[in-house]
Amino acid sequence: DTEVTQTPKHLVMGMTNKKSLKCEQHMGHRAMYWYKQKAKKPPELMFVYSYEKLSINESVPSRFSPECPNSSLLNLHLHALQPEDSALYLCASSPSPIRTYEQYFGPGTRLTVT
Amino acid sequence: QQQVKQSPQSLIVQKGGISIINCAYENTAFDYFPWYQQFPGKGPALLIAIRPDVSEKKEGRFTISFNKSAKQFSLHIMDSQPGDSATYFCAAQATGNQFYFGTGTSLTVIP
Repeated sequence: DTEVTQTPKHLVMGMTNKKSLKCEQHMGHRAMYWYKQKAKKPPELMFVYSYEKLSINESVPSRFSPECPNSSLLNLHLHALQPEDSALYLCASSPSPIRTYEQYFGPGTRLTVT
Repeated sequence: QQQVKQSPQSLIVQKGGISIINCAYENTAFDYFPWYQQFPGKGPALLIAIRPDVSEKKEGRFTISFNKSAKQFSLHIMDSQPGDSATYFCAAQATGNQFYFGTGTSLTVIP
């Protein structure tokens, strides 16, 4: 199974809502990533979890809160987002943190903030 | 500062032609250079990757050429097909988890 799954596929939320994005992989990978991608732009790294510990946080606003409950699951909790946070949120995993280039991406969650 | 420069921004190629996308970098600490393909509404998928001690790597119709002295690498898609129409990202990884995408190239292959 070489798949990273993400739910939901689409999410519309108001600026006062709290929601969560979920990501799951069953490849035994030990590094997991959250990216944000705007239209016609490359993915921007937000967070890296390495062996279930947060290892990189690319100066992301605190309204985004990651969580890694176990080695297969990654969540992104959203609260008080702004319209400019509307984007495709991608989850990825790689065999280890030093093999980022081998990352498998999920299909993404299309987030719209109204 | 863009760590990996990619060109062209968009590319239109006839079916059966060769698509060429170029990338350049400055950081000599990079030790892996992957290419990703992304279709609309999907996440990027790893196509092919090369190390700097290899000058060329081929997988099917996709070839990476690497010029270490010029700090440039390129993706060639031979016999381009309409199904290859997608956005392509080059990237570079350095030890210590530094990873950078290029700006992307939107490829359209016309029948």
